[in-house]
This record gives sequence, C-alpha cells and structure tokens, in this order.
Amino acid sequence: DSGVVQSPRHIIKEKGGRSVLTCIPISGHSNVVWYQQTLGKELKFLIQHYEKVERDKGFLPSRFSVQQFDDYHSEMNMSALELEDSAMYFCASSLVNQAPLFGEGTRLSVL
Amino acid sequence: QQKVQQSPESLSVPEGGMASLNCTSSDRNFQYFWWYRQHSGEGPKALMSIFSDGDKKEGRFTAHLNKASLHVSLHIRDSQPSDSALYFCAANNAGAKLTFGGGTRLTVRP
Repeated sequence: DSGVVQSPRHIIKEKGGRSVLTCIPISGHSNVVWYQQTLGKELKFLIQHYEKVERDKGFLPSRFSVQQFDDYHSEMNMSALELEDSAMYFCASSLVNQAPLFGEGTRLSVL
Repeated sequence: QQKVQQSPESLSVPEGGMASLNCTSSDRNFQYFWWYRQHSGEGPKALMSIFSDGDKKEGRFTAHLNKASLHVSLHIRDSQPSDSALYFCAANNAGAKLTFGGGTRLTVRP
C-alpha cells in the first residue's frame, strides 16, 4: 500500500495525558498538512510543513507540537490533553500544487 | 467568517437523480479549487480539481467554476447509493494549504 499511513488508528487517553500521532507520507511527498475533524464534518487546518520547515500554522493548540523529519514523516506531540481534543486527526501529503492525499486518520478519544 | 462556504449542508436525491452542490469563496487570492469526498470511517479523497473558468467533466461528475464570483459547483448525474458521502469544497493558492468548506452531506435514496 503506497498511501499515507497514520498510526495509531485509534487511541484513548485520560484528560491531562499525552499522546503522539505519526504520519508517514507518500514517498517523495515533502508537503505534509495536519487537519482536525470534529463532529464528523468540519476539517480544521492545524499546521503545514514543507521540506521540514513549518510553512503555515492554523488552529494548532500551544499544547501540541509537530515536527517533520528528514524522511518527511511527521509526528504530532500532544500534551495536557483536554476533552475537547477528542476528534479525528488527519494528515495529508502532496507534492507542491497537487491534490493532497489523506491518510485514514487517527481517532483520539480523551476521557 | 469561513473563507469557503458550502451549501446546502445536506442534500437528499433519489437514485438516478442529479445532485448539485455549491461552494463560494470570500478570498480572491484563491486560484485553485478542489472537490473531495469522504465516506464514513475513511479519510477524504480527492474527486476532481478545477482551475479555469467553465466546466470540467469527469464521468458522472461535472465541476463548474466562475472566478469572477468565486463560485464553484459540483453536479453529479445518475447519482448512485455509493455516492452517499460528505463532500468538501477546498481552495488554495499556489503551494498553500487547502482551506476546506464546511461540507455537504449527500444521501442518495435507493
């Protein structure tokens, strides 16, 4: 399978806890974007990295940090989790000016 | 205010019917428009893109763009139950992240 791979697929954490979400983009895709989807509808832009450099930041809480590594995979570190962080988290990768391809997402449940 | 707005929020059409989805942008910097489809439990998948004024047809799907009014639409003819999904309009300018609309939930009734 050569699609965008996200892990884990589902994770349950307690309020105040920490979590790490991983995104492996399609080979050669240096543009990686993270989105949050709540209530099964709106896709909220969190952050974009291009060639390992942060290019744009949206609604990423200060409690979260995202890093893109040399092989272009991306990790989202989440701390001090709040109930409102419960959502689907999608990452998408692309070459510049091509349609971003989404992974299957990680469902985060904060209890 | 959302920079990309979609209407209607939900739409129900009979199998074999025509579904029409609308999208309007408030940002004149957006040059590229995209339609994505998301089935339940999956990530969004790109359906088609449109960058120039006029119509673009791909099978049963036709996108229409009017850059002057920043309006883009998606028309699905001969709708099938498998077309039931959440449809997103998205827009960007060169190299920038996609800005998504709020989505239209399409239900195709057998």
